[in-house]
Amino acid sequence: NAGVTQTPKFQVLKTGQSMTLQCAQDMNHNSMYWYRQDPGMGLRLIYYSASEGTTDKGEVPNGYNVSRLNKREFSLRLESAAPSQTSVYFCAGSLGGNTGELFFGEGSRLTVL
Amino acid sequence: RKEVEQDPGPFNVPEGATVAFNCTYSNSASQSFFWYRQDCRKEPKLLMSVYSSGNEDGRFTAQLNRASQYISLLIRDSKLSDSATYLCVVGKAAGNKLTFGGGTRVLVKP
Repeated sequence: NAGVTQTPKFQVLKTGQSMTLQCAQDMNHNSMYWYRQDPGMGLRLIYYSASEGTTDKGEVPNGYNVSRLNKREFSLRLESAAPSQTSVYFCAGSLGGNTGELFFGEGSRLTVL
Repeated sequence: RKEVEQDPGPFNVPEGATVAFNCTYSNSASQSFFWYRQDCRKEPKLLMSVYSSGNEDGRFTAQLNRASQYISLLIRDSKLSDSATYLCVVGKAAGNKLTFGGGTRVLVKP
């Protein structure tokens, strides 16, 4: 069972470069999320998609864009990477509704030099 | 003030002992509460939901105190494998906007 799959797992970028983090789930989740995790800050929501075709900003959306390509895929794009975007990024999915169970991918470690 | 606050720890716990820690939340409209566990350099995973009446899952007991706006997690008979960071998660309504606390690190030692 693949669950939630993120690629790439590691990436080093130079300031100003762009990249896309890919996320795919095979759990029939309606809702999908992108979080970033920094030491001492917990997980902060960047963007989420409550259902296919919709996206909404989370707590820290600046510098990011997202695409809910279909029900399975939710990508996160950094158009012009900055050192402040060095972080661990987690994609997650859930069935939505009142369930609080998020299923996370293994994370993508991004370093921006 | 952060929306969800936790003592970062670490809580150093002898194997077999009991450890308990709290999480406070600022939004009185919060409706859903959870504890997640995160192992070092791994993704978070749901440990348990927290219900108004309190609930237990094996050695883990979760409580909710709406009046004082905090939830708690108690681990009995701690095992070495319980060493992890425990994340408090609070939702306003349906699961779309869950807010994570910074985590409480627990280290269980022989």
